[in-house]
Parts: sequence; structure tokens; C-alpha cells
Amino acid sequence: SQQGEEDPQALSIQEGENATMNCSYKTSINNLQWYRQNSGRGLVHLILIRSNEREKHSGRLRVTLDTSKKSSSLLITASRAADTASYFCATDAGGFKTIFGAGTRLFVKA
Amino acid sequence: DAGVIQSPRHEVTEMGQEVTLRCKPISGHDYLFWYRQTMMRGLELLIYFNNNVPIDDSGMPEDRFSAKMPNASFSTLKIQPSEPRDSAVYFCASSSNRGGGEKLFFGSGTQLSVL
Repeated sequence: SQQGEEDPQALSIQEGENATMNCSYKTSINNLQWYRQNSGRGLVHLILIRSNEREKHSGRLRVTLDTSKKSSSLLITASRAADTASYFCATDAGGFKTIFGAGTRLFVKA
Repeated sequence: DAGVIQSPRHEVTEMGQEVTLRCKPISGHDYLFWYRQTMMRGLELLIYFNNNVPIDDSGMPEDRFSAKMPNASFSTLKIQPSEPRDSAVYFCASSSNRGGGEKLFFGSGTQLSVL
């Protein structure tokens, strides 16, 4: 069963705009990760945020985590056409399992 | 490092045939994961290994599926007999130092089509 659920399921924006994707999960976690998947390829790790962190930045990426609401958001600033991909959140509840959500498909129009 | 290597890249087979998917993890990684991805069910964790030992196979759909890791550099996922509903992309991923929930490195996947 999926632990994380992303919304929206799909997002279409213009190049230069910001893209925000949200993830909700069900049980307590030790950390939450975001991955990116280009069509026909494997997933690539973007960023990891631990349960005792509230915000983390990496380049144009900003991730927030609210453990009280069991939710996280991924913000991509100044989006580019090359950011077009599917984005997944993944949670590690301590059992060494990494469970992925259903993903958000992002389309950035040039 | 070449990353996680999966083979074959594509597999087309007929219902009832045996299918074997292969994975070479990144050298030095002590965790290996097999995932299945479909439009309907998303990414499902099938099984994962630590130091070549299966730790959790609760995601393996049924007895037709089996996975082995005979050594630190090789793992197989076998489906026997295969069925059309097994059609999916199968990913292998590896990681290390899992105590801290470290990131997974994924292979390019095997696209399986069972006719």
C-alpha cells in the first residue's frame, strides 16, 4: 500500500513560474524524500528531509515538512522546460522500507 | 561507478513462460530493493535485501514471484509462470547505510510485457 499521496496528480505551468507539489502520509516517519522520474527512466533522488527538520533547500528546490499534519511540500522555483517529469515523495518509517506515493506529473511549457 | 545496472531493458514474453530479471547494484551498497511500477498501482516495493539476505518480501504478489541475491553484486527476480497482469516496469535500486534512511539509486528498469 502507498504511504504517501501527492497532489495535484498533474500540474501544467509556464517556464519561469514556480511549481508546488504536496505530499501527505499516514504514519510516523523518520525522514521523507523527494524523487524525480523522467519518462522511461529510473527515479533520481532530489532531497531528503528528516523528521526533526522543517525546511530544506537545494538549488531551486525547497522542501518543507509538517509532521503534525503529516505533510510535505516540494517547491521548484523558476521552472524550466527540463523540469518536466514526475515527482514522487517517499517515506521511511524506520523499517528500512522506502514507500513511494503516486506522484505528480509536472509539465513545464516553454 | 556505472550505477545500478538492470537487464534486460525490455522483455516480451508469452503467458506461462518463465521470466528472469537481473540487477547489479552499486559496489559497496548493502541494501537492494525490487520495485514494480504500473499506472494503476504506482511504485510497489516487492522485496528488499540487506547484506544479501531477504529482509521483507511482504510485497511479493504471489508464489509465482521469487527473488534471490547469491552475492553482493547480483540479484534476480523471477516470475514463473508469467501472466499478462505481470506486465509492468520493474526497477532495482540499491543504497547503503540504511540506518539513516539514505537515498536510493535506481536502475533504468526492465519493461516487461506478457502477452
